[in-house]
Formats: sequence, structure tokens, C-alpha cells
Amino acid sequence: GAGVSQSPSNKVTEKGKDVELRCDPISGHTALYWYRQRLGQGLEFLIYFQGNSAPDKSGLPSDRFSAERTGESVSTLTIQRTQQEDSAVYLCASSLNRGYYEQYFGPGTRLTVT
Amino acid sequence: ELKVEQNPLFLSMQEGKNYTIYCNYSTTSDRLYWYRQDPGKSLESLFVLLSNGAVKQEGRLMASLDTKARLSTLHITAAVHDLSATYFCAPGNEKLTFGTGTRLTIIP
Repeated sequence: GAGVSQSPSNKVTEKGKDVELRCDPISGHTALYWYRQRLGQGLEFLIYFQGNSAPDKSGLPSDRFSAERTGESVSTLTIQRTQQEDSAVYLCASSLNRGYYEQYFGPGTRLTVT
Repeated sequence: ELKVEQNPLFLSMQEGKNYTIYCNYSTTSDRLYWYRQDPGKSLESLFVLLSNGAVKQEGRLMASLDTKARLSTLHITAAVHDLSATYFCAPGNEKLTFGTGTRLTIIP
């Protein structure tokens, strides 16, 4: 079946602009996660959703970052007034439910802020 | 705050040899995941370890978890070139905390 998909795959934006990154989870997966991976590093947790609610958004680095999920499906991560340090690969994952279920990752969106 | 350390960070090994990657974490976690990442690609799930003493094997890879020691290992047996990748461990529940990764290169 279809895996997690993300769009766009690449995004180049100018400093100060807003960007929206989209994630389509595996159908039927109730939990959805966003991570960020800077070049040569491990993944940093940003936020996760259970259904349309976000029980843990502790990883969002600043108030410029926000995320929402609708219809217990698609999620959008929005970064306002982008800065160069926001450049990274943003990875989305989904799992059948929160807890003891493995997370399946999408291909990521590579964001470059110039 | 949960901290995760993997070692080694870089590993070059010859085909046919055995080696172990270590993952230490700082606070209690009942679960731990191992992922593989190829250059420029996303993460592929390798193992889900759900309890103390859990051991899982897939092909030339075997993972184990000791929750009391807060240690997981990924053992590679008779390495082959297509195992070259970066391997991440990630303890946690919903919020996974990833190690810095071990970049493994298998040389002929």
C-alpha cells in the first residue's frame, strides 16, 4: 500500500518568507509525527498528533513554527519568517496508534533558506 | 531530558567481519527502535524492541535491549557491502529521541 508522502520534496525560500510543508500519512494511521534533521545529524522531534490533537509539541523550536492536522489525515507544518538555521530536512512519520507501534517515515522535505 | 549516545560514530569494516554498535541512553525507556538511513534517503525501520531482554534478528543484523543498563546493541554478522548506511537508535514512546547515528562503511 501507499506509504507516507510529503510535499514538496525540495523547497528553496528566501529568508523571512513563510513556508508550508505537507504530510500525508498512511491511511488509517491515527498518530503523526514531525521531525527535523540537520545536515549530518540525527533527528530532532518537533511535534506529534493523535487524531487531530497535538499532545506534545515540546520540540517546536520557536513560535515561528506551527502545525495542524485535519480529518485525522493530512498535516501541515508551517514556518513563518524563515531563518537560515531553519534549513534542514523535515521528516514526517505515522504510526497505527500512539505507543507501541513503529513509526513509518516519509521521504522528507529538504528546506533551504537563502 | 533523554540523551542518547551511539558509538562508534564512524565505522569502517571489511566484508565478512563481525561488529557491534552500541546505544546508551540516559533515562528509562521501555522501548527502543533501530533505523537505517541511506544517503539522501529517509529512514527505514529495522527493529522494534519492546521489553527488557528483547532480541530480534533479521538477516545479518541482530538487535538487543537491556532496559536496566539502558543499553541496546546492533550486531552485524559477516558484513556485506549493502549494509553500508547510517544506523540510528531511538528510545522513546511517541516522542523518539535519536542518537547521532553510526555511519557504517563496508569495504571489500
